[in-house]
Amino acid sequence: DQQVKQNSPSLSVQEGRISILNCDYTNSMFDYFLWYKKYPAEGPTFLISISSIKDKNEDGRFTVFLNKSAKHLSLHIVPSQPGDSAVYFCAASENTGKLIFGQGTTLQVKP
Amino acid sequence: GAGVSQSPSNKVTEKGKDVELRCDPISGHTALYWYRQSLGQGLEFLIYFQGNSAPDKSGLPSDRFSAERTGGSVSTLTIQRTQQEDSAVYLCASSLTGLGDTQYFGPGTRLTVL
Repeated sequence: DQQVKQNSPSLSVQEGRISILNCDYTNSMFDYFLWYKKYPAEGPTFLISISSIKDKNEDGRFTVFLNKSAKHLSLHIVPSQPGDSAVYFCAASENTGKLIFGQGTTLQVKP
Repeated sequence: GAGVSQSPSNKVTEKGKDVELRCDPISGHTALYWYRQSLGQGLEFLIYFQGNSAPDKSGLPSDRFSAERTGGSVSTLTIQRTQQEDSAVYLCASSLTGLGDTQYFGPGTRLTVL
């Protein structure tokens, strides 16, 4: 039973354009959501998070949107840069330490 | 300061052998987590240590898997009688206090069971 789903395994965008990565979840008890970025042969690195009491959080080029009624969150990267090319994981937490991760979306930003 | 380190970076073993994977968390972090990533999959939670509390073992896939954390610092994940389906990248993370804190990941140990 996949509680966190990233239905798009890959996404390709042109440099300078917007990248939108999507994530759906099924557990309404999740109260904290995060995005991690992963390069090959490295561990995931934290990117941005959002609490369930908010619907938007912005940090530089990265913005996360949360739609609780739809159980959906998205990560927007504007403008996209070639260095953003990586695997992006959505994760959720139910006020416990453990994170439940999605399957990941591979983003390729073309110069 | 140093990040989370894991050793070995790669481990190849034969089916049926036991393996031990090591994690050194960031100094001062009280919470430590183990996850694994199988090929083409997301990260799967295995176990979580928080201070002196009993660990959350709810993610361990079978009783062949165990983990300990000595002195509130270094952790060892042990897999007994390894099976081919245990092949994965095993990732360790630590966070300052646990709940709601950012988890910082190590580079992982790639385990291959032949």
